[in-house]
Amino acid sequence: SQQGEEDPQALSIQEGENATMNCSYKTSINNLQWYRQNSGRGLVHLILIRSNEREKHSGRLRVTLDTSKKSSSLLITASRAADTASYFCATDASSSGNEKLTFGTGTRLTIIP
Amino acid sequence: DAGVIQSPRHEVTEMGQEVTLRCKPISGHNSLFWYRQTMMRGLELLIYFNNNVPIDDSGMPEDRFSAKMPNASFSTLKIQPSEPRDSAVYFCASSIWDIIGNTIYFGEGSWLTVV
Repeated sequence: SQQGEEDPQALSIQEGENATMNCSYKTSINNLQWYRQNSGRGLVHLILIRSNEREKHSGRLRVTLDTSKKSSSLLITASRAADTASYFCATDASSSGNEKLTFGTGTRLTIIP
Repeated sequence: DAGVIQSPRHEVTEMGQEVTLRCKPISGHNSLFWYRQTMMRGLELLIYFNNNVPIDDSGMPEDRFSAKMPNASFSTLKIQPSEPRDSAVYFCASSIWDIIGNTIYFGEGSWLTVV
């Protein structure tokens, strides 16, 4: 079963607008990561937030983490057509490292030029 | 760095045939993962290795699937015999544990169609 569930499943916005995607998970985690997948390609790591962090920024990306609610959000500001992709959250619940990430079901983001 | 390299990129095979997917992880990475992605089930972890040793194969669907990692620079995922329901994109990924976390680097995938 999926550890993470993204919401919404699909999102379409106009270029220049902000896009927000949410992720909920079930168990305690060490960190949470967001990945992007362009159509027909592999997943690419975007950003990692540790369990003791609440917010993190990277360029136009802003990630928040609320461990009490077991949820995270990914905000993409000033969206561009090139941001069109599927976005996945992934949780790391390992105790010793080098263990598996569990991926959510993904949000399909479409940016309308 | 060339990244994670997978082959073949695309394969169409007949039901009952053996399929072998290959992966070369990023040099220096000590963990390797095989994932399967379908529209219905999303991204599923099949098996992962740490320092060439299989750690968790609980995601392998059934005995028709097997994976090996004979050395740090090569892994295979084999399906024998293949069935139409095995049609999916199979991703290999590798990582190295560091103090920040376990960031995974994916290959471009092997697109398998079993007819």
